[in-house]
Amino acid sequence: AQRVTQPEKLLSVFKGAPVELKCNYSYSGSPELFWYVQYSRQRLQLLLRHISRESIKGFTADLNKGETSFHLKKPFAQEEDSAMYYCALKNQAGTALIFGKGTTLSVSS
Amino acid sequence: DAGVTQSPTHLIKTRGQQVTLRCSPISGHKSVSWYQQVLGQGPQFIFQYYEKEERGRGNFPDRFSARQFPNYSSELNVNALLLGDSALYLCASSLGQGVAYNEQFFGPGTRLTVL
Repeated sequence: AQRVTQPEKLLSVFKGAPVELKCNYSYSGSPELFWYVQYSRQRLQLLLRHISRESIKGFTADLNKGETSFHLKKPFAQEEDSAMYYCALKNQAGTALIFGKGTTLSVSS
Repeated sequence: DAGVTQSPTHLIKTRGQQVTLRCSPISGHKSVSWYQQVLGQGPQFIFQYYEKEERGRGNFPDRFSARQFPNYSSELNVNALLLGDSALYLCASSLGQGVAYNEQFFGPGTRLTVL
């Protein structure tokens, strides 16, 4: 079965603290994973995808096939990082994204 | 470009009625996907259309149908509405079909309330 699990509904951190948003997946074959972000009153938008191996806004995510995880990390959180974050997995057919339930990140000073 | 546009923004229907939601993709994009997002959940895939043909279908009943027009805009139809159909319906467009290499650009959504 193809599934994405985000175990935390809410993650609250202070500005400047490290952030790790957890994502675990279930998939047969080579997975392709993404992180999407939705800022307040904005549309859902792509943050990063593992095939690009890029760092966006200081966020990185490494695919760990052994642990079936794709955690999102940032060394120093900023208040503007406060948003809803969704981990997503490409389905077997390659035609759709399978989303987790999302984690709300709240960064306060 | 205004990005992906959806109409209407909100609508309220009663059980048993039918509803049509509309989506205009970004200019040049040929793929449109529909997702349903129930409160507290992530988006769930309903359909993908590419070059006016259905290319993917999620686990939704036959009450849900869609089509894509020659200008690549799309409509999602839901018949015999149930209370459980209340959700935010998202449209996403991309240049090509495969989601791995074609970034999905999401619209603002249509909020459907079924009473």
